[in-house]
Amino acid sequence: GAVVSQHPSRVICKSGTSVKIECRSLDFQATTMFWYRQFPKQSLMLMATSNEGSKATYEQGVEKDKFLINHASLTLSTLTVTSAHPEDSSFYICSAIVSSAHSSNQPQHFGDGTRLSIL
Amino acid sequence: QKEVEQNSGPLSVPEGAIASLNCTYSDRGSQSFFWYRQYSGKSPELIMSIYSNGDKEDGRFTAQLNKASQYVSLLIRDSQPSDSATYLCAGGRRGGSARQLTFGSGTQLTVLP
Repeated sequence: GAVVSQHPSRVICKSGTSVKIECRSLDFQATTMFWYRQFPKQSLMLMATSNEGSKATYEQGVEKDKFLINHASLTLSTLTVTSAHPEDSSFYICSAIVSSAHSSNQPQHFGDGTRLSIL
Repeated sequence: QKEVEQNSGPLSVPEGAIASLNCTYSDRGSQSFFWYRQYSGKSPELIMSIYSNGDKEDGRFTAQLNKASQYVSLLIRDSQPSDSATYLCAGGRRGGSARQLTFGSGTQLTVLP
């Protein structure tokens, strides 16, 4: 159980293009989802926390107008990289927590990631 | 100072040996700890979680938590070449969005056949 699907797995596009990444919880409801970015040989860096039905909470240094997050349902969160540039090229990973869990100790379940390459 | 620190490695062990991965954390409010395994080009997958002081065993994996010393470790017994990956230690923050995780930089493990 606790499967998270992320789509697309790979995107290659020209500079200036906007790219949408979807994150779906397939067999559970997720009130909270997280978006991470990972550069080569570095650890995961939290970009934002996505809450269903409310505005996302962005980490310091992450431009909310650049990285648009929508969490309109309990099973879907989307990240849109607007007007992407080569420096936005990275591995983007989402994760989700089971909503029904009462404990704050529940693990995050990760999607397979999206490798974004901006030419 | 990073909130979660790991030896970046790389760590190499022969097949069949015990691999020991260590992690320290600075936030005494951290309540939960997780070990994730990440293969190159893939997303992290959960290996172990631990919330209480002491040891927790699951198959070939044993997680150890010492809150007084603020360290977490992961032991892999009978290491296999398929265990070769980067292992990420993560701590759960208390307060606010209590389920946010802070990740260490990861330890790259290579198990030599």
